[in-house]
Amino acid sequence: GAGVSQSPSNKVTEKGKDVELRCDPISGHTALYWYRQSLGQGLEFLIYFQGNSAPDKSGLPSDRFSAERTGGSVSTLTIQRTQQEDSAVYLCASSSLESSYEQYFGPGTRLTVT
Amino acid sequence: SQQGEEDPQALSIQEGENATMNCSYKTSINNLQWYRQNSGRGLVHLILIRSNEREKHSGRLRVTLDTSKKSSSLLITASRAADTASYFCATEGDYKLSFGAGTTVTVRA
Repeated sequence: GAGVSQSPSNKVTEKGKDVELRCDPISGHTALYWYRQSLGQGLEFLIYFQGNSAPDKSGLPSDRFSAERTGGSVSTLTIQRTQQEDSAVYLCASSSLESSYEQYFGPGTRLTVT
Repeated sequence: SQQGEEDPQALSIQEGENATMNCSYKTSINNLQWYRQNSGRGLVHLILIRSNEREKHSGRLRVTLDTSKKSSSLLITASRAADTASYFCATEGDYKLSFGAGTTVTVRA
């Protein structure tokens, strides 16, 4: 079946503009995660959605970052007033209840803020 | 903040040799996972070892876990050029994964 998909694959934006990144999880996966990976670094947790529960937003770096998950499926990560330090690869992952520990990652969106 | 730290940061080996990388972490965990990343994009799950397990095998991969030392190791045997990638350990707690900075492995033909 289809894996996790993300769009766009690459995004170049000017400092101060807003961007939206999209994630389509694996069908039936109840958990969805967003991570950020800066150049040469490990992944930094941003936000976690599980079913209809309130999301865990503890990893969002500032109030310019927000995310929503509509209908328990597709998720959008929004970054307002982008800054150069927001440049990174944004990775989305999903997991099922039966295998909640194993996360399946999408290919990521490479964001470049100029 | 990163929970795990991989060692070494980079590793270059000849095809057919074994590659060993280590991961240390700070807090108690439910499980520890290893992922592979090619070309800085999506991660692929390799293997999960639970906190009550000491060793696990999957194909050419062998993972050990020592919870008393808060450390894990990943061994790739008989390496191939296709094993060239970055390898990350990730500790799981409260359903979130905390990743280290990774070990970059280069397998020379």
